[in-house]
Amino acid sequence: ETGVTQTPRHLVMGMTNKKSLKCEQHLGHNAMYWYKQSAKKPLELMFVYNFKEQTENNSVPSRFSPECPNSSHLFLHLHTLQPEDSALYLCASSQYRGNEKLFFGSGTQLSVL
Amino acid sequence: DQQVKQNSPSLSVQEGRISILNCDYTNSMFDYFLWYKKYPAEGPTFLISISSIKDKNEDGRFTVFLNKSAKHLSLHIVPSQPGDSAVYFCAASVNNAGNMLTFGGGTRLMVKP
Repeated sequence: ETGVTQTPRHLVMGMTNKKSLKCEQHLGHNAMYWYKQSAKKPLELMFVYNFKEQTENNSVPSRFSPECPNSSHLFLHLHTLQPEDSALYLCASSQYRGNEKLFFGSGTQLSVL
Repeated sequence: DQQVKQNSPSLSVQEGRISILNCDYTNSMFDYFLWYKKYPAEGPTFLISISSIKDKNEDGRFTVFLNKSAKHLSLHIVPSQPGDSAVYFCAASVNNAGNMLTFGGGTRLMVKP
C-alpha cells in the first residue's frame, strides 16, 4: 500500500462519544499534519508533527487531541465534540523542509449529532 | 482574515478551451505557491507549484503564473478536458515554516463536453 491512508472514511458520533481518527503514511516522510475542511470554508491547519514532535497547534480546542507515536502514524482523538465540528478531516505528510508539497489522504467525513 | 483568496467559487468552460483560475494573497512573506486538485470523496492531490523567484512554471497542459507585485497567481489549463472537472485549491507557504500551507477556499471547475 502506498500514499497516505485514513480510516475510517466516514464517522457519525454523538456529542458524548469518544472516537479516534487514524492516519498512516507509506512515503517515508518525517512530518504529518491534520487539516480540517468545513463546508464553505478553506482547509484549516490544525496540527503539525515533525519527527513525532508537535510543532504547531493552530488554536485547536482541547476536545481534539492528536497523537503521533512515530513518523508513519498519526491519530486524532475526539471527545465531547459539538455539531459544528462536523467536517472533513484530512491527514497529510511531507518532508519537513521548506517548499515541499504535502500528500493528502482521502479524509474522514465526520458528522456530530 | 483570509490570507489566500479565490474569489470565484465556480467556473464553467467548454472542452478544448482555456481554463483560468485565479488566486490572490495578502501575506508578502509567502514565497512558495501550489495548486491542488480535489475530486469528490478524495483528498487534494498536488498539481503544480511555483517558487517566488519565478514568474511562470509549466507542466504539460498546466501553467502557473505568479505576479508578486500584485500578489496574484493564476492557473491556466489548456486545452481543458472533462476530466479536469474538480475543485482547485490555491495554497501558499513561507519557506522556513515547515510546509504549513495556507489554502484558499477553492474554485469548482466544470469542463463541458
